[in-house]
Amino acid sequence: DAGVTQSPTHLIKTRGQQVTLRCSPISGHKSVSWYQQVLGQGPQFIFQYYEKEERGRGNFPDRFSARQFPNYSSELNVNALLLGDSALYLCASSYSPGGPEQYFGPGTRLTVT
Amino acid sequence: QKEVEQDPGPLSVPEGAIVSLNCTYSNSAFQYFMWYRQYSRKGPELLMYTYSSGNKEDGRFTAQVDKSSKYISLFIRDSQPSDSATYLCAMRGDSNYQLIWGAGTKLIIKP
Repeated sequence: DAGVTQSPTHLIKTRGQQVTLRCSPISGHKSVSWYQQVLGQGPQFIFQYYEKEERGRGNFPDRFSARQFPNYSSELNVNALLLGDSALYLCASSYSPGGPEQYFGPGTRLTVT
Repeated sequence: QKEVEQDPGPLSVPEGAIVSLNCTYSNSAFQYFMWYRQYSRKGPELLMYTYSSGNKEDGRFTAQVDKSSKYISLFIRDSQPSDSATYLCAMRGDSNYQLIWGAGTKLIIKP
């Protein structure tokens, strides 16, 4: 079975631009979570979606938004990019929101110049 | 002060040694305790999780949770060079599904 997939793998943007990151969960998993991981730190929770509804939101500005589609795939959008948004963006899937077993994709490395 | 504290290392040990990795936390509501392994420029990989206090063993890996001390540990027996990676602890409560992470400990196993 395929694991969690994310696209693109790498992305370079300039300040002020907008970016969309994509995630496909493991087949049968209905919950998707997004995390930001800055180099040398643990991941920081951004959003959790389940059945197309937002179930949790971390301490991130409104420039960050996300959505989940009927096939349970998800997109993370970041507007008005700042240099500090440079990070590895991770997507994790689980069968349900409370499921303790979250499986991560390889991430999208975003560089903002 | 962070909710979850983890020594960033690096921790360097010879092949075959027993490795001990630890995290401390401050939130008594945490009930799920996870250990992830992350290789360079890859996503975290779930090794194991424990609910509430106690021990859990899976092959060469043993996880321990001491809720009275707010202290969790991961032991790796017969360590191998392929175990070289960053090990992250993460935890959450019963009703709050947001995972809170440690910064990760970089482990180096020398052949």
